[in-house]
Amino acid sequence: DGGITQSPKYLFRKEGQNVTLSCEQNLNHDAMYWYRQDPGQGLRLIYYSQIVNDFQKGDIAEGYSVSREKKESFPLTVTSAQKNPTAFYLCASSIGGGHNQPQHFGDGTRLSIL
Amino acid sequence: GENVEQHPSTLSVQEGDSAVIKCTYSDSASNYFPWYKQELGKRPQLIIDIRSNVGEKKDQRIAVTLNKTAKHFSLHITETQPEDSAVYFCAARSNTGNQFYFGTGTSLTVIP
Repeated sequence: DGGITQSPKYLFRKEGQNVTLSCEQNLNHDAMYWYRQDPGQGLRLIYYSQIVNDFQKGDIAEGYSVSREKKESFPLTVTSAQKNPTAFYLCASSIGGGHNQPQHFGDGTRLSIL
Repeated sequence: GENVEQHPSTLSVQEGDSAVIKCTYSDSASNYFPWYKQELGKRPQLIIDIRSNVGEKKDQRIAVTLNKTAKHFSLHITETQPEDSAVYFCAARSNTGNQFYFGTGTSLTVIP
């Protein structure tokens, strides 16, 4: 899925620091998503956005924030309020608009605490 | 909201045997069911999907079946190969929104 780019691949956070994970797509998809994956676990939804300037909380939104100012970009900020941020973060996009089409995933960002 | 359950959580098969992974869902409004394969440290990749107006779909060694009445769908892999070893996730999408609901994953090991 070369159409979704996540950066950086690895990220380290110091205590009390906010960090931002980048997600960019050139697939012209309306919907974008952020998931958290812990070792040996499934995908848990943090936030999703169905259209520019709109987003909804997922199951584990506390300690995270997002913005959707442009269609192709959906950055995720892990705030200092998230006490256990160590995980693999996956960004995804889909056509949206009620179409039954799959999500496409980025390569992920692995976040660790220093 | 939707709840997707996936079984088994781990599965080991001998090379050449078949593997079956089962998922159930709770929301009758769900109408799209993709399956993803995730290798260690990599992105999930779509391997097959099925829509609610179809009961079965095949792609070479992979097939998916859907029973809307019972609200369950299954992934079938025949003639398994060592490169099939990975974690497989099922998902369901409701026609009331763009949110996808994932199962907890099945770690498949194919023993040479």
